[in-house]
Amino acid sequence: AQTVTQSQPEMSVQEAETVTLSCTYDTSENNYYLFWYKQPPSRQMILVIRQEAYKQQNATENRFSVNFQKAAKSFSLKISDSQLGDTAMYFCAFMKNRGGADGLTFGKGTHLIIQP
Amino acid sequence: GAVVSQHPSWVICKSGTSVKIECRSLDFQATTMFWYRQFPKQSLMLMATSNEGSKATYEQGVEKDKFLINHASLTLSTLTVTSAHPEDSSFYICSAELQGGPYSGNTIYFGEGSWLTVV
Repeated sequence: AQTVTQSQPEMSVQEAETVTLSCTYDTSENNYYLFWYKQPPSRQMILVIRQEAYKQQNATENRFSVNFQKAAKSFSLKISDSQLGDTAMYFCAFMKNRGGADGLTFGKGTHLIIQP
Repeated sequence: GAVVSQHPSWVICKSGTSVKIECRSLDFQATTMFWYRQFPKQSLMLMATSNEGSKATYEQGVEKDKFLINHASLTLSTLTVTSAHPEDSSFYICSAELQGGPYSGNTIYFGEGSWLTVV
């Protein structure tokens, strides 16, 4: 079974600062996907960024980027120039690449607060 | 991005009754959908995997007869909470798998979620 660990229950930074959320996982799979989802107070799960394990290049989406270290099983999310709207719960998630046979395994989440 | 719609957003039902929640993929076909439950201030817990045209696969500890899942078409999966009790009150959220699209491989998109309150 897979496990996903987010060791930071809550983080708080000032607007415009850069913040890094950590995530580690444990799996015996070699082919998988990793995701970061944002859940604002509305509870809607919003896909922030996605990484395929076979790709060495770190994924980036505008102000969001990841540091994917496959050997260390680490998948951190960096948010640059943080904005008030970034305040939310952030969940790291793992999915095996088996053609959709499995759902996502989530970490416990990190509550990110962006202070004005 | 791909759109997944969930309905209703909020529902209140009496103890002992059944309630149905719908999950639709609006702009893509989803052979696989997933149902999650989220308790306050906790993470999402996978309840079951819904496969179009076949029986759902339930996670350990989830009662199949209580949480009925039907995936009758490539765009619709339903979750029916039968004989609801107050302890079933929770936030239920579905997701659908998109193969291809803006990313290669598979990506999971979520519905807006449904708050169920059993009184």
